Amino acid sequence: DIQMTQSPSTLSASVGDRVTITCRASQTINDWLAWYQQKPGTAPRLLIYKASTLESGVPSRFSGSGSGTEFSLTISSLQPDDFATYYCQQYILYSTFGQGTKVDIK
Amino acid sequence: QLQLQESGPGLVKPSETLSLTCSVSGDSLRGSPYPWGWIRQSPGRGLEWIATIFYTGKTYYNPSLKSRVTISLDASRNQLSLRLTSVTAADTAFYYCARLRDGVQIWTKWGQGTLVTVSS
Repeated sequence: DIQMTQSPSTLSASVGDRVTITCRASQTINDWLAWYQQKPGTAPRLLIYKASTLESGVPSRFSGSGSGTEFSLTISSLQPDDFATYYCQQYILYSTFGQGTKVDIK
Repeated sequence: QLQLQESGPGLVKPSETLSLTCSVSGDSLRGSPYPWGWIRQSPGRGLEWIATIFYTGKTYYNPSLKSRVTISLDASRNQLSLRLTSVTAADTAFYYCARLRDGVQIWTKWGQGTLVTVSS
């Protein structure tokens, strides 16, 4: 099994802040990594795949980087709509998700 | 516009079989190049992939659930189904169906999810 570990578990930030979430894989996954955003009561939404490719319709303030075992999701200027929980997912071998990072209001 | 809608009993007794259906509109399962699948989410286990199926009938299962899970596709009804046998309280979760990107396990379009509680 490939384990995905995110940090931090919770992140408190203000509108306009630059925010970075980290995801670590237990073994190399090259760039087979996706990021999802989930708001309460709704299903996850795909933001980024192949570690850094923005899904169609996703604002450009979201970006992803990394390869191998270390990855990050950055929101360049946090907007009110961005307060949510974010998950990373490896898909080199089936699917495994991180435990999530909740971004809440400071 | 693609829409997926899960349905099934909200309450299942321990040791019984959980059966869910996902009705798809806005796309045809018949001959679809996209894989389709199920994921569940619970506070204790987070997001957990359950199974994936291609129109060809090829299936992939989470090894930890494989002995209890069956995923199937009914192209005539444009529906996806999930069966999970011998359920326990640990199977209590929101269950989502979704369409994946062609060839890879990227979950691009999700249903709204349905809560299944396992309790006597």
